[in-house]
Amino acid sequence: EAQVTQNPRYLITVTGKKLTVTCSQNMNHEYMSWYRQDPGLGLRQIYYSMNVEVTDKGDVPEGYKVSRKEKRNFPLILESPSPNQTSLYFCASSLDSRNFGYTFGSGTRLTVV
Amino acid sequence: DQQVKQNSPSLSVQEGRISILNCDYTNSMFDYFLWYKKYPAEGPTFLISISSIKDKNEDGRFTVFLNKSAKHLSLHIVPSQPGDSAVYFCAARDSGTYKYIFGTGTRLKVLA
Repeated sequence: EAQVTQNPRYLITVTGKKLTVTCSQNMNHEYMSWYRQDPGLGLRQIYYSMNVEVTDKGDVPEGYKVSRKEKRNFPLILESPSPNQTSLYFCASSLDSRNFGYTFGSGTRLTVV
Repeated sequence: DQQVKQNSPSLSVQEGRISILNCDYTNSMFDYFLWYKKYPAEGPTFLISISSIKDKNEDGRFTVFLNKSAKHLSLHIVPSQPGDSAVYFCAARDSGTYKYIFGTGTRLKVLA
């Protein structure tokens, strides 16, 4: 089944403790992206990657890092999480950079206390 | 500054009637538009799309209309069913960067 898989689904952590949210897609998609969803703000792009070893900042990149060492994986790294990063996170992939639409993962609900 | 706006946070409709969800945008460089549906505890799923060269696209019960002069997009669901109850996001693609800007979503509730 074609899908984007994120882990974990739920995570509660403490301020400052580094964490990684994994994302993997099995569709051989070139384009991958991370979004966060917050009430009243919709989905905002954090980082995106047009292909292996090519990543760029989205609209809200502060406090996040990403890497794209393999085509299928695009982990989101929070080096020092803070409470304002409490959010619902979605990984998404698209066939290529023309981006005619995403396939989204099921989401990761992160709480930073 | 929100480039893509969904001004109705919520909408309730009776089963069998038409649901109309609206989306306004400000950037004339947007060339491709999408609607996504999102159920609780799931990721958004693609519903329907429309290119800026068209003014209408239909897929079963779902029709998207694009009015470029008004910079307005709407999604019509006819007839509405209880299973359509979800949050609907519109998204617009920038023709220069291919990045999508999402609206804030409209929660649709279809009453049985």
